Amino acid sequence: DIVMTQSPPSLPVTPGEPASISCRSSQSLLHSNGYNYLDWYLQKPGQSPQLLIYWASSRASGVPDRFSGSASGTDFTLKISSVEAEDVGVYYCMQDLQTPRTFGQGTRLEIK
Amino acid sequence: QVQLHLSGPGLVKPSQTLSLTCAISGDSVTSNTVAWNWIRQSPSRGLEWLGMTYYRSKWYNDYAPSVKSRISINPDTSKNQVSLQLNSVSPEDTAVYYCVRRRASYGLDVWGQGTTVTVSS
Repeated sequence: DIVMTQSPPSLPVTPGEPASISCRSSQSLLHSNGYNYLDWYLQKPGQSPQLLIYWASSRASGVPDRFSGSASGTDFTLKISSVEAEDVGVYYCMQDLQTPRTFGQGTRLEIK
Repeated sequence: QVQLHLSGPGLVKPSQTLSLTCAISGDSVTSNTVAWNWIRQSPSRGLEWLGMTYYRSKWYNDYAPSVKSRISINPDTSKNQVSLQLNSVSPEDTAVYYCVRRRASYGLDVWGQGTTVTVSS
């Protein structure tokens, strides 16, 4: 199985400040079509996870442009340019390249 | 707007079969651009992908090796729904279960509300 490792486990952020979450995969997630099959999800308190980013850097429909994703080899980063109160929750990365799909352990973003 | 509505018992006895149904509205279970996934979440295991079914001129299934011997995911085209069966359950199968749509390779874009299943005698 591809192992997904996220850091940090917890991230306290002041509103208006940027935030960055890292995810590392144990194998390349590069598909033959040139895209990295890495997604980012946010699970807000009491809710189901919701898709933020697919293909490492493509924002899902309706996702604010303060969210961005990037890739460098097997290292992936989710950035929030200016954190808002509604961004609190647990962020997960997931590899969508191989069976079984696997998730990171999550990063809990909290407001200072 | 696509919605996924889960139903099924919230309590299952050890060694019995866990059965859940995901009713799909706003999309077709036979769409050839989507896959219907089952994912569960527990404090001890986090988010765990269990498997999926999808239609590409015929039906395909893909299961996580960790549950492959116990799982069955089946479409019901007459009711536009997908079912999950997990056999020989143990307390380790206690979790919140989600039905989730994957649209092509564009991520898991629609999640059901999640249903808690407890395995206990």
